[in-house]
Amino acid sequence: NAGVTQTPKFQVLKTGQSMTLQCAQDMNHEYMSWYRQDPGMGLRLIHYSVGAGITDQGEVPNGYNVSRSTTEDFPLRLLSAAPSQTSVYFCASSSRTGSMNTEAFFGQGTRLTVV
Amino acid sequence: AQSVTQLDSQVPVFEEAPVELRCNYSSSVSVYLFWYVQYPNQGLQLLLKYLSGSTLVKGINGFEAEFNKSQTSFHLRKPSVHISDTAEYFCAVSEPAGNKLTFGGGTRVLVKP
Repeated sequence: NAGVTQTPKFQVLKTGQSMTLQCAQDMNHEYMSWYRQDPGMGLRLIHYSVGAGITDQGEVPNGYNVSRSTTEDFPLRLLSAAPSQTSVYFCASSSRTGSMNTEAFFGQGTRLTVV
Repeated sequence: AQSVTQLDSQVPVFEEAPVELRCNYSSSVSVYLFWYVQYPNQGLQLLLKYLSGSTLVKGINGFEAEFNKSQTSFHLRKPSVHISDTAEYFCAVSEPAGNKLTFGGGTRVLVKP
């Protein structure tokens, strides 16, 4: 049971380069989200999606784009990388039973360094 | 808007001693409460959650937490820690109708032999 799979695990970018972080889940979850983790700040929500074709901004969306063409995939695009985007990125997915949320399942993370 | 404060950034503790990690939250609506654990170089794993009902919640690996609505707290406890409990612990909240999590800054637990 793969759960939430993120690729790559590590990436080094030069300032101004673009790249896509991949996220896939095999649990048929409606809800997917991207967080970034920075020391002492916990995890902060970048973008999220409540279903295929629907995305919305979280707390720190600037510099990132997302799309949700299928239920399974939710890629995160860095348009023009900046050193401030050096962070660990986590993708998560969850579902709902009636009006209640289930727990969020997290991927293993992508450690991104922008030089 | 919601916010979560974890009052201790680091907690050193000796093996077999008890540990308590403090979490306070702020929200204008009712919330769901979670504790997640992150082992080194790993993703986050759910320890326990409070959705409704009994305010004492038991989770995996011997952890438990108590929801206190009047103090807006959700402190995590374990009566006897192991070396393997060395990790970072995150408290988080979400609105019942949504899936967006708001996290605290995390507490690093270092268990010493």
